[in-house]
Amino acid sequence: AQTVTQSQPEMSVQEAETVTLSCTYDTSESDYYLFWYKQPPSRQMILVIRQEAYKQQNATENRFSVNFQKAAKSFSLKISDSQLGDAAMYFCAYRSFEIQGAQKLVFGQGTRLTINP
Amino acid sequence: DGGITQSPKYLFRKEGQNVTLSCEQNLNHDAMYWYRQDPGQGLRLIYYSQIVNDFQKGDIAEGYSVSREKKESFPLTVTSAQKNPTAFYLCASRLGGSGYGYTFGSGTRLTVV
Repeated sequence: AQTVTQSQPEMSVQEAETVTLSCTYDTSESDYYLFWYKQPPSRQMILVIRQEAYKQQNATENRFSVNFQKAAKSFSLKISDSQLGDAAMYFCAYRSFEIQGAQKLVFGQGTRLTINP
Repeated sequence: DGGITQSPKYLFRKEGQNVTLSCEQNLNHDAMYWYRQDPGQGLRLIYYSQIVNDFQKGDIAEGYSVSREKKESFPLTVTSAQKNPTAFYLCASRLGGSGYGYTFGSGTRLTVV
């Protein structure tokens, strides 16, 4: 079974600075998807960024980028120019590439990010 | 607008009672999922359904039951057998095939009093 580990329960950063959230995962599959979700105080889950494992290029969405290290099974999220609205719980998630089957998301424990003004 | 509606937002249950959480989607998504969220544990899968009239247990199904009589609806019943039901419950849906676009509801906070 796949597992996802986020070793940083809490992180804080000064507004406008850069912060990196860590995520490692364990799988025996060669093809899969990885995601970062944001959960603000409203508790609505918002997709931040996704990465297909077969793509070598790291995904980027505006101020959000990932460092995907497939051999090390590492998938960190970098937030540049942090804004107050980035304050939230961030979850790393894994999904198998298979077309059949549950295609369920497996989540890490989450990292609570605080932005200091 | 299409989306997932979870109701109620807050729910209180007395010990020994069953309670049902509602999840409705109008996205025409095939698959639906129920997750439980506890502090420090992330989201854990309770049940999922890929088609109508079929559902499968997730990682923590004990004390829960579901039904999928309609494509749009996937209600979750928390039974009295669930020893620690106080948690935040999230419903999600996904289009079939290889699609990775998951949509989440806004959740239900269940408290046992």
